[in-house]
Amino acid sequence: AQSVTQLGSHVSVSEGALVLLRCNYSSSVPPYLFWYVQYPNQGLQLLLKYTSAATLVKGINGFEAEFKKSETSFHLTKPSAHMSDAAEYFCAVSGNSGYSTLTFGKGTMLLVSP
Amino acid sequence: KAGVTQTPRYLIKTRGQQVTLSCSPISGHRSVSWYQQTPGQGLQFLFEYFSETQRNKGNFPGRFSGRQFSNSRSEMNVSTLELGDSALYLCASSLLREVTDTQYFGPGTRLTVL
Repeated sequence: AQSVTQLGSHVSVSEGALVLLRCNYSSSVPPYLFWYVQYPNQGLQLLLKYTSAATLVKGINGFEAEFKKSETSFHLTKPSAHMSDAAEYFCAVSGNSGYSTLTFGKGTMLLVSP
Repeated sequence: KAGVTQTPRYLIKTRGQQVTLSCSPISGHRSVSWYQQTPGQGLQFLFEYFSETQRNKGNFPGRFSGRQFSNSRSEMNVSTLELGDSALYLCASSLLREVTDTQYFGPGTRLTVL
């Protein structure tokens, strides 16, 4: 079965600093990976997804992620954090059932201080 | 195009009661999935419906059920509510069921069981 692990339940950065949220996957087949963001009292919003077309994936709000097969990683980065980036971020993998069902990591809460 | 809508947004029930949650997918989307989100267990897959048939089911007791109508709208039902059923229930829709399909999430229904 495919799974993802997010390292760090909380990450704190200062406004303007680099954001790095870590996600490692476990899969016996090429994975399809997603990053979602959840703001308080809201649903999940897709940031970006990897579907094997390109290893560097650019998403919304200045986020990007790089698929590294050798490291089984799909870390999310943003060069400069903004206060509005404070939210919970989820890494997910699809395909466990052979279809689009998502298996999520535990999530990482990003805290941004002024 | 309108997003995924869920009603109601908030519900308070007592133990032993039953509850029905509703989800309207994005127009044209045929797959609807339901997820439960709790602080302890994170995001867990409940079930998925496609063309009015349940195609995939997570590891939840039979008290959790659902259905999909011909217009792709979906409902989920929880009978004999327990305190542990308190959670945010998220509905997601996708165009089809392919592993590369993006799941678009609604705002969720927050269920509190007293």
